[in-house]
Amino acid sequence: EVQLVESGGGLVQPGGSLRLSCAASGFTFSSYWMSWVRQAPGKGLEWVANIKQDGSEKYYVDSVKGRFTISRDNAKNSLQLQMNSLRAEDTAVYYCARDSGRYNYWGQGTLVTVSS
Amino acid sequence: EIVLTQSPGTLSLSPGERATLSCRASQSVSSTYLAWYQQKPGQAPRLLIYGSSNRATGIPDRFGGSGSGTDFNLTINRLEPEDFAVYYCQQYVTSRSFGPGTKLEIK
Repeated sequence: EVQLVESGGGLVQPGGSLRLSCAASGFTFSSYWMSWVRQAPGKGLEWVANIKQDGSEKYYVDSVKGRFTISRDNAKNSLQLQMNSLRAEDTAVYYCARDSGRYNYWGQGTLVTVSS
Repeated sequence: EIVLTQSPGTLSLSPGERATLSCRASQSVSSTYLAWYQQKPGQAPRLLIYGSSNRATGIPDRFGGSGSGTDFNLTINRLEPEDFAVYYCQQYVTSRSFGPGTKLEIK
């Protein structure tokens, strides 16, 4: 059974940093692109970033370029999102998802709140 | 960047009726790269349709997708109480992007 479990969310002040993790199991992690998708409270879905199987390609939505960094550790079946210079508008539930273009599998999400 | 718009924003129907949800892309999207998701409150999205018209594993056949170019539809026949939710389209031909969603509510 495919499982994706996010962790690392919480309350952070504007300008602060946070690192999200996603633990993957039930599939060959190193064979798939992976993505982070977020959802602000009461709003729609927004793709944030994705990373190729070997980590050699990474793409980001314009609003997080230069502030967020996606990475992965295939030996540990783990996906990360380092978030720096956080803003109020980054407040959202962050989901990791297995990326086959479409998203067959999602985690349960972790809430990031940016507020003073 | 491909921008997706969805209409209507809210659709009010009764159980047993048919729902037709629309997704329009700002530029042509190969039907191979268009997906639909259902999301209920407090839950992660669930993939319904991929490649414009292919049902994902375990999705009932009352859900159907169609379209090409810039215009795509999700049709739900014989609405069941559990179908009332928010629906998103997504393109994956150029990067990734989602539409703003259509809320399907009980009339």
